[in-house]
Amino acid sequence: SQKIEQNSEALNIQEGKTATLTCNYTNYSPAYLQWYRQDPGRGPVFLLLIRENEKEKRKERLKVTFDTTLKQSLFHITASQPADSATYLCAPLNTDKLIFGTGTRLQVFP
Amino acid sequence: SQTIHQWPATLVQPVGSPLSLECTVEGTSNPNLYWYRQAAGRGLQLLFYSVGIGQISSEVPQNLSASRPQDRQFILSSKKLLLSDSGFYLCAWNWGRESPLHFGNGTRLTVT
Repeated sequence: SQKIEQNSEALNIQEGKTATLTCNYTNYSPAYLQWYRQDPGRGPVFLLLIRENEKEKRKERLKVTFDTTLKQSLFHITASQPADSATYLCAPLNTDKLIFGTGTRLQVFP
Repeated sequence: SQTIHQWPATLVQPVGSPLSLECTVEGTSNPNLYWYRQAAGRGLQLLFYSVGIGQISSEVPQNLSASRPQDRQFILSSKKLLLSDSGFYLCAWNWGRESPLHFGNGTRLTVT
């Protein structure tokens, strides 16, 4: 069955450093993958979409890579800030539906 | 601009009681509508989605049901709640393939 894995342990980094979050998927080949941010008690908010024929996508301090050979997406936040603290969810497309990972909680310390 | 409303924000219900959660979208027409559930420490689980009025697809067998009586209204229901129905319920909409999902602020349901 299709499986999505994100690091369940929280990622703690110092302000100003680059945060890198990992999303691995198995047993299918998504046409694209989306990343979302979720704050406690709130619904997820869309950040970026990357297609299977794109290696990298950037938006301000955010960068996403998509390696279809490794079946992996990496999500980078450069010059991280305490306001970036949240849970980040990856969501590869499975046929016509998005399947969400459990998310990785990022904590940025000043 | 488009907005999505979901209510109530929190709900405590006894086992065996009925459930009705409502979601409405404003500022768009013919959206795809979704119900997700997020249990503690688990990912978002797709429960139902709808591509049009009266068209409902169920993803997970359970004692929940969904209805779409109007274009921008999506309702999640249960006749008898179970303890395992506790969780964070999220409604979302988009315009289809490759379109980002826009989520409501969710309903925290506790079944006691």
